[in-house]
Amino acid sequence: QVQLQQSGPGLVKPSQTLSLTCAISGDSVSSNSAAWNWIRQSPSRGLEWLGRTYYRSKWYSDYAVSVKSRITINRDTFKNQFSLQLNSVTPEDTAVYYCVRSLGHFDYWGQGTLVTVSS
Amino acid sequence: QSVLTQPPSASGTPGQKVTISCSGSTSNIGSNAVTWYQRLPGTAPKLLIYNNNQRPSGVPDRFSGSKSGTSASLAISGLQSEDETDYYCAAWDGSLSGWLFGGGTKLTVL
Repeated sequence: QVQLQQSGPGLVKPSQTLSLTCAISGDSVSSNSAAWNWIRQSPSRGLEWLGRTYYRSKWYSDYAVSVKSRITINRDTFKNQFSLQLNSVTPEDTAVYYCVRSLGHFDYWGQGTLVTVSS
Repeated sequence: QSVLTQPPSASGTPGQKVTISCSGSTSNIGSNAVTWYQRLPGTAPKLLIYNNNQRPSGVPDRFSGSKSGTSASLAISGLQSEDETDYYCAAWDGSLSGWLFGGGTKLTVL
């Protein structure tokens, strides 16, 4: 059974960097078939895919156009986890953030982290 | 504004069949598989349908999916009160190189 455990602060100040980590159990971040995604949900923007990282003989990352200039998704193969960094946040980035595994579809989700951007 | 278009609301009475639509374009639904998710309040979305019409184990066969051209549909038959929640479609967009979600449909069981 795959489990994704998220961690990170729930409050970030405007213009600072939002950082979240997702620890994987039951699968590997270096899997040759899965991809590891970040998705967020807010009342104003609905569900929004932010980006993913995956390994297919080498590492790849894809990012949503809406956040491409501000986002980085990294992975730590030793700790079997991946992380999200979103720079220069504004109140518009307030949302519940999820880490999610995909195998052509999103099947396993983390518990979600409410991140509020406020001074 | 979502590129995949869903009606904001749908409704039906217990036992009835309800259909929720999802409209896209050739770069997403027209060329890639559609998935559907159910989101109960305060919980992560749950996979309902993948590859247009496949149900994961544990999803009742009351839920079914279909796709035609650049549109897809989720049908829920034998509507139950517990089905009252939000539903989202999703598809990969080859032009954007990213996943897209619909805006979500709130289903009310009258």
